[in-house]
Amino acid sequence: DAKTTQPNSMESNEEEPVHLPCNHSTISGTDYIHWYRQLPSQGPEYVIHGLTSNVNNRMASLAIAEDRKSSTLILHRATLRDAAVYYCILRGGLSYNTDKLIFGTGTRLQVFP
Amino acid sequence: DTGVSQDPRHKITKRGQNVTFRCDPISEHNRLYWYRQTLGQGPEFLTYFQNEAQLEKSRLLSDRFSAERPKGSFSTLEIQRTEQGDSAMYLCASSLVATGQETQYFGPGTRLLVL
Repeated sequence: DAKTTQPNSMESNEEEPVHLPCNHSTISGTDYIHWYRQLPSQGPEYVIHGLTSNVNNRMASLAIAEDRKSSTLILHRATLRDAAVYYCILRGGLSYNTDKLIFGTGTRLQVFP
Repeated sequence: DTGVSQDPRHKITKRGQNVTFRCDPISEHNRLYWYRQTLGQGPEFLTYFQNEAQLEKSRLLSDRFSAERPKGSFSTLEIQRTEQGDSAMYLCASSLVATGQETQYFGPGTRLLVL
C-alpha cells in the first residue's frame, strides 16, 4: 500500500488559514487522496477527497500537486472546533476489491483563540 | 440521529473474560468495517463485511476475535479470553459502496479496558 507522510503537529490561530501538507511520493495513478479528521473522543469523519484536480467543499479545499506526489488540505478560517487529528489516506479504485482505510499517525492541529 | 451507533461506549473487563460489542450501521449501507485504535495511533483495519459476507480480515484479527453481521444489518465483534493488549478503542464504520471512493461514516467507538 502506498504510504503518506504528514507532520506530527501544527498550530494555528483562530480565523487564520491553515495548510496541512501530505507527501505521497509512491502514489499510483489510480489512487485517490482522502482526508479524514478525528475530533477528541470521536470517531474519524470525512473531510474531502480528490484524484488530480483541486477540490472544494464546505469544510475545506484540497490542493493536489501536478505530479500528485503531495497534497495540501486547506482550512480557510480555522475555528476552535477544527482542533483535531487530520489523516491523509490513499485509496485505490474499486478494482482493488477492498476499500479499507489505512491511517497513519496524522497531524494534530491545535487552534488557539 | 441516523448515524452509526455503537454499544457499549465503554467496557471494563478482567483479563480472561469475553466481551462483545455491537455496531448499528447507517440504514441501507451495504459495507460495515471494524477498526481498532490505540492511544496516539491512527485506527487500524480489522475486518469488513459486504452485506452479511465477511470479505477481509486483517492479520491483527487473531483467533480470539470473531465478527458477525447476520442478515446484513447490525454487526457484533466478540473478543474471547481478553488480554491487556486488547485495551483500545474499537471503531465501527459503514458505507454504501458503488465506486470504491465512498465516505466511511464512523461511530463514536467502544473503549475497552482490560485489567
